[in-house]
Parts: sequence; C-alpha cells; structure tokens
Amino acid sequence: AQSVTQLDSQVPVFEEAPVELRCNYSSSVSVYLFWYVQYPNQGLQLLLKYLSGSTLVKGINGFEAEFNKSQTSFHLRKPSVHISDTAEYFCASSGSARQLTFGSGTQLTVLP
Amino acid sequence: DSGVTQTPKHLITATGQRVTLRCSPRSGDLSVYWYQQSLDQGLQFLIQYYNGEERAKGNILERFSAQQFPDLHSELNLSSLELGDSALYFCASSVSPNTGELFFGEGSRLTVL
Repeated sequence: AQSVTQLDSQVPVFEEAPVELRCNYSSSVSVYLFWYVQYPNQGLQLLLKYLSGSTLVKGINGFEAEFNKSQTSFHLRKPSVHISDTAEYFCASSGSARQLTFGSGTQLTVLP
Repeated sequence: DSGVTQTPKHLITATGQRVTLRCSPRSGDLSVYWYQQSLDQGLQFLIQYYNGEERAKGNILERFSAQQFPDLHSELNLSSLELGDSALYFCASSVSPNTGELFFGEGSRLTVL
C-alpha cells in the first residue's frame, strides 16, 4: 500500500519569504503525486499534480513542486508567500490501484 | 466553489444514535468518495462509489454504510454512534474512478455528545 510522509507538521514563515513543504512517498512502479490545500473551514482543493513528464510541476497561486524519483520526494515550494497562503497542505499519492493516500498534513502559517 | 454539495454542514447528536450525511457530486462526475478527517487520525479514506457501484473500501467501520443512488448523489449512514466518531466527513467527486484529481465538498461536521 502507498504511504506518504509529510515531515513537518507546522511551518511558520514570514510574509514574502520562500517556503518549502516536504513530502516523501513510498516507492511504486507507477505513482501519481498531488498537493492539496485546505483553507480554514473549507474542503480540500487541488494545488498541483504530477502524473508523468516534466519533473517540475507548476500549480495555482504560484506554487510548484519537483518530483524526485531517486529520493522519493515531492516537495512543494513557493518563492514568496502571502498571508493568504496560511492553510493546511496535504501531499497525496496514488499507486497502481489509483487509490489516493494522504499525508498527515502541514500547517503553513504566514506571519506578518 | 467546488460544485460538490454536502448537507448538513453541522450535526450534533448523542451516542447510540444514527445519522445520514448527504452528498451531491459535481455535475458530470460519476465517482464519489467519502473521507473522515479527525485530529488524531488525519484524513482517512472510507469508501468510493462509481456510477452506483462500490469501487473501493478503506477504513470504514461496520457501523457505517454508504450508497450511491441512480441520480449519482450519495449518502453516508453512521449508526450506533460513539464519541470517537466526532469528525469532519468530506465527500469528494471525480469524473473517472482512477484519478487523484478530486473535488471536495466543504464537509459535514459531526459532533457526538
């Protein structure tokens, strides 16, 4: 079964600073990777996805992630964060069975 | 707005009771998923339906059941409720069953007293 590890439960960062949210997945022959964001009192929303092709994936709101097969990682990055980026971020993977497995989440708090 | 509608948004009930949560998927989506989100367990996959048929089962308790109706809306039934069932229950939908691109509703917050 797929597993996803988000290494940081909380990441505080100052506004306009860069941020990286870390995610590692269990290796699979065929894996799809996703980042979802959950704003307070809302459901999850897809930020970006990696299915195949280019290892650098760009998503909404200026976020990007890089698929690294050798390190089984899919870290999420943004060069300059805003207060409005404060939310919980979930990394997810689906293997050959295509069932989505979520990580435990990383709370990103952007400080003024 | 994801296009996925869940009702009720909030529900408070007592232990031992039964509740039904309802979900209307996005227009055109045939697949419906149910997830439970709690502080101690995180986001747990419960069950998936595709075009009326059960597609996959996750960590769903025997006290819980679900179904997807011909009009594609889905219901999650929770019975013999326990304090530990208090959680946020999300419904999500997707066009096809084999995708990780899910559209989530805003959730139904269940409180069991």
